[in-house]
Amino acid sequence: GAGVSQTPSNKVTEKGKYVELRCDPISGHTALYWYRQSLGQGPEFLIYFQGTGAADDSGLPNDRFFAVRPEGSVSTLKIQRTERGDSAVYLCASSSMSSYNEQFFGPGTRLTVL
Amino acid sequence: LAKTTQPISMDSYEGQEVNITCSHNNIATNDYITWYQQFPSQGPRFIIQGYKTKVTNEVASLFIPADRKSSTLSLPRVSLSDTAVYYCLVGANNNAGNMLTFGGGTRLMVKP
Repeated sequence: GAGVSQTPSNKVTEKGKYVELRCDPISGHTALYWYRQSLGQGPEFLIYFQGTGAADDSGLPNDRFFAVRPEGSVSTLKIQRTERGDSAVYLCASSSMSSYNEQFFGPGTRLTVL
Repeated sequence: LAKTTQPISMDSYEGQEVNITCSHNNIATNDYITWYQQFPSQGPRFIIQGYKTKVTNEVASLFIPADRKSSTLSLPRVSLSDTAVYYCLVGANNNAGNMLTFGGGTRLMVKP
């Protein structure tokens, strides 16, 4: 079956612009996670959803970052007034209720802020 | 969340068995030990998970001693395609709120 997909695969933007990153989780997975990964480091947790609600957004670095999952499936990570330090790979993952530690990751979106 | 410590890098040759040990001295009673593999330009991929003793699947084995303060991921007869970063994580498995905390991982380089 289809895995987690993310679009776009690459996004280049200018400092100060607004970007949206999309995640399509595995069908039926109730939990959805966003991570950010900088070069040479492990993924860093940003936010997770259980269904439609953001159950924990403690990893979002500041209020320029926001994520939604209005129908409990597709999620969008939104970044306002992008900064060069936001450049990273943004990973999305989903998991089922039977095993939350077995998360299925998408290929990521590489964001470059010029 | 329990902190994990693992070697930054390891080298091996094709056909050898590779063992990567992870320390997690503060592991909690309800924590599981989970390993992920990540290739360049891809998201991490779940390899194996265990609670105690030994777990084996088609990819790897996971050895966990009785005190659970460490664990060893064993990759039998590695090939060049096993070159990747391997992450050890600990956390409860019954709560989506237990977000995965990745450390720096172990960069495994398999040489011909």
